[in-house]
Amino acid sequence: DAGVTQSPTHLIKTRGQQVTLRCSPKSGHDTVSWYQQALGQGPQFIFQYYEEEERQRGNFPDRFSGHQFPNYSSELNVNALLLGDSALYLCASSLTPGKPQHFGDGTRLSIL
Amino acid sequence: QQQVKQSPQSLIVQKGGISIINCAYENTAFDYFPWYQQFPGKGPALLIAIRPDVSEKKEGRFTISFNKSAKQFSLHIMDSQPGDSATYFCAATENSGYSTLTFGKGTMLLVSP
Repeated sequence: DAGVTQSPTHLIKTRGQQVTLRCSPKSGHDTVSWYQQALGQGPQFIFQYYEEEERQRGNFPDRFSGHQFPNYSSELNVNALLLGDSALYLCASSLTPGKPQHFGDGTRLSIL
Repeated sequence: QQQVKQSPQSLIVQKGGISIINCAYENTAFDYFPWYQQFPGKGPALLIAIRPDVSEKKEGRFTISFNKSAKQFSLHIMDSQPGDSATYFCAATENSGYSTLTFGKGTMLLVSP
């Protein structure tokens, strides 16, 4: 039973570019949340998707957007990349909103 | 505003010793408190969680102690092993988990052989 899978594992971009990160939830899970984890910090909530709708959003600018597909997989898009966007981006899935979240191993994004 | 404060930032414990990590929260609406373990290059993994209607929960060598009046909770790792060396995060959420997770800044634990 595959857990949460994220792609790519590593990515290098330059300032001003755009990036798309992908997440496949654990089998049977329909809720996907995205987190940003800066080096040496705890994960910070970006947003959560359920039934293909953004259900909740953290304190992140509109440059961060997302999407959930009918098969429950999800994408995180970041536009106009800044140096400060360098971080580990984590995807977590749960059986439904409110159930324990299971994390993937993340995408390490580096901005040059 | 940091809603969940975690200490210490790092911890070194000898094999067989007890590791203790503390967290304090401000939001009285929090009602679900999980702990996550993260190894280098991996995502956080749920270790153990507690709700405020109990003061303690034990799973194997891991115990959460919860003090609702003080708005504090802690993780105790008994008989710490080198394989426990990882970063530990406390977290909290409202509405029985229907709201988002708010994480502490993490504690890097090193268990020396």
